[in-house]
Amino acid sequence: DTAVSQTPKYLVTQMGNDKSIKCEQNLGHDTMYWYKQDSKKFLKIMFSYNNKELIINETVPNRFSPKSPDKAHLNLHINSLELGDSAVYFCASSQVGSGRIYHEQFFGPGTRLTVL
Amino acid sequence: GESVGLHLPTLSVQEGDNSIINCAYSNSASDYFIWYKQESGKGPQFIIDIRSNMDKRQGQRVTVLLNKTVKHLSLQIAATQPGDSAVYFCAETSHNNDMRFGAGTRLTVKP
Repeated sequence: DTAVSQTPKYLVTQMGNDKSIKCEQNLGHDTMYWYKQDSKKFLKIMFSYNNKELIINETVPNRFSPKSPDKAHLNLHINSLELGDSAVYFCASSQVGSGRIYHEQFFGPGTRLTVL
Repeated sequence: GESVGLHLPTLSVQEGDNSIINCAYSNSASDYFIWYKQESGKGPQFIIDIRSNMDKRQGQRVTVLLNKTVKHLSLQIAATQPGDSAVYFCAETSHNNDMRFGAGTRLTVKP
């Protein structure tokens, strides 16, 4: 069974378009994350959600907006796509204990976004 | 074989040799560290973690060493196998729960 799944796996789109990436976890975790990995493999956290509350919000453009309909899903919406948004986006989840991230994060397979 | 993490992002070792991947972190308040393995086309996968109250932790064929004095973390892989070829990331987190990843080291195992 897939623990953390993302759709689509590949996304090719034109500049200026609006797109969404979906993420679902079946681990029963209470915290989900979105990461961006650039061409140099550098991983940077973008957002995390804990019980439907945004608890980390890195300085990402407000064109990016996470939406969590329930604790098993955290979707990423991107408006007015730019060339620099091209990257691989990873969703992850973890079970946060006592308000601390002591536990491992489980990552999805990634979504490769290419903006033309 | 041994890497110095951010300065030598590629490490090539012979199958059967031991590998050492290094990572330097900057936040002295970090108290939890994780090593992840990322194979081509896949997401990062947890390997081993260590808390700041420890200086060594062992898993199956892997050992993580933590030196808080010099803010250094290393991952040792014993008897490296071709399946160990991947990019390895260290990650750290501190009281503000902000997990930061290192730049990654690509390990290549030669048969």
